[in-house]
Amino acid sequence: DAKTTQPPSMDCAEGRAANLPCNHSTISGNEYVYWYRQIHSQGPQYIIHGLKNNETNEMASLIITEDRKSSTLILPHATLRDTAVYYCIVRAYNNNDMRFGAGTRLTVKP
Amino acid sequence: DSGVTQTPKHLITATGQRVTLRCSPRSGDLSVYWYQQSLDQGLQFLIQYYNGEERAKGNILERFSAQQFPDLHSELNLSSLELGDSALYFCASSDGGRGTDTQYFGPGTRLTVL
Repeated sequence: DAKTTQPPSMDCAEGRAANLPCNHSTISGNEYVYWYRQIHSQGPQYIIHGLKNNETNEMASLIITEDRKSSTLILPHATLRDTAVYYCIVRAYNNNDMRFGAGTRLTVKP
Repeated sequence: DSGVTQTPKHLITATGQRVTLRCSPRSGDLSVYWYQQSLDQGLQFLIQYYNGEERAKGNILERFSAQQFPDLHSELNLSSLELGDSALYFCASSDGGRGTDTQYFGPGTRLTVL
């Protein structure tokens, strides 16, 4: 029970923006949206997180809808190295239980 | 590089044996988490330690145990190993709530039980 719904796979052309959607319609007011990615069998890599405002860092942007029921992770200029499984997770601050679902397998193509 | 280290990278052993996996958290992090990733189960939270004390338990089997030492490194002990225990085991660390409490993952240990 991962509390999020993501498409199983997506393709993106190299150099274009990759927009990865996530549905979290049952999110609670104190729950954050976290994004991680896992490249092959490496350890999951933290990307970004947010509560209700849009967030941007050196890796990506996170757009959260006003009702907080869905969000989109944006990789502005995807490269081949961004090919990975992307996980969207909702988690209360300080809640130890991070529930990873199946994620979205993003394939960046030349 | 997340700053979390795990040893060994690979471990091959036989059914019925016992192994110990080691994790060193990022400098300054007080919390350590253990996760198991198998092909059919995805990433599953096992257990969390905070500053030496067990903080939370997830889907951890009774044959598995963990501890966190005074220097904050952690060990995950797996005993009476079965074929189904073959998986990737990840350790993550966080500042324990003093900051963003974001979890940063290590590179993992791949356990193969033959």
